[in-house]
Amino acid sequence: ETGVTQSPTHLIKTRGQQVTLRCSSQSGHNTVSWYQQALGQGPQFIFQYYREEENGRGNFPPRFSGLQFPNYSSELNVNALELDDSALYLCASRRDFSSYNEQFFGPGTRLTVL
Amino acid sequence: QQPVQSPQAVILREGEDAVINCSSSKALYSVHWYRQKHGEAPVFLMILLKGGEQKGHDKISASFNEKKQQSSLYLTASQLSYSGTYFCGTETTGNTGKLIFGQGTTLQVKP
Repeated sequence: ETGVTQSPTHLIKTRGQQVTLRCSSQSGHNTVSWYQQALGQGPQFIFQYYREEENGRGNFPPRFSGLQFPNYSSELNVNALELDDSALYLCASRRDFSSYNEQFFGPGTRLTVL
Repeated sequence: QQPVQSPQAVILREGEDAVINCSSSKALYSVHWYRQKHGEAPVFLMILLKGGEQKGHDKISASFNEKKQQSSLYLTASQLSYSGTYFCGTETTGNTGKLIFGQGTTLQVKP
């Protein structure tokens, strides 16, 4: 069973640019959540996708957007990057939103905004 | 709304026990525990649900006090591999999948 994978591993961007991060969910999982983890902090929920629809959003501005594809992989897009967007971005998948299962996290993408 | 974890950090010798607490100001539906090692993804340890159901690691135990809106993670006979940062994630309104994480508890186990 393949786990959650994310790409790229690291990324450096400058303020004002746009970035796309990618996540492949674990086999058999149709629900993907994205989290932002600043250094020394717990992960913060950005949004969740279930069967290609956004299904829950945290306290993040609209410049954070996402997609989920028919194969349940997902993208996180961030426009107009700010210095505070520098963080580890984690993707987590779970088997099915309608049943109770643990979330499995990917290794994350470390984004640095200069 | 963020749960509060205590202690912030703890240092143990191998074989010693530790308890990590997670408290919420809101009524809890579930508590999820994760361990994260430096530079790695958080690893699932346990889920505790309102009503008493729980799923998780064989060697780790936890409790969930619904009345006090808190959970405790019990690490017994600690091993070097237990070192890392422990996070609790909470759901307050049901099975939403939206976890609100605490600030973390750093555990260091020394030989």
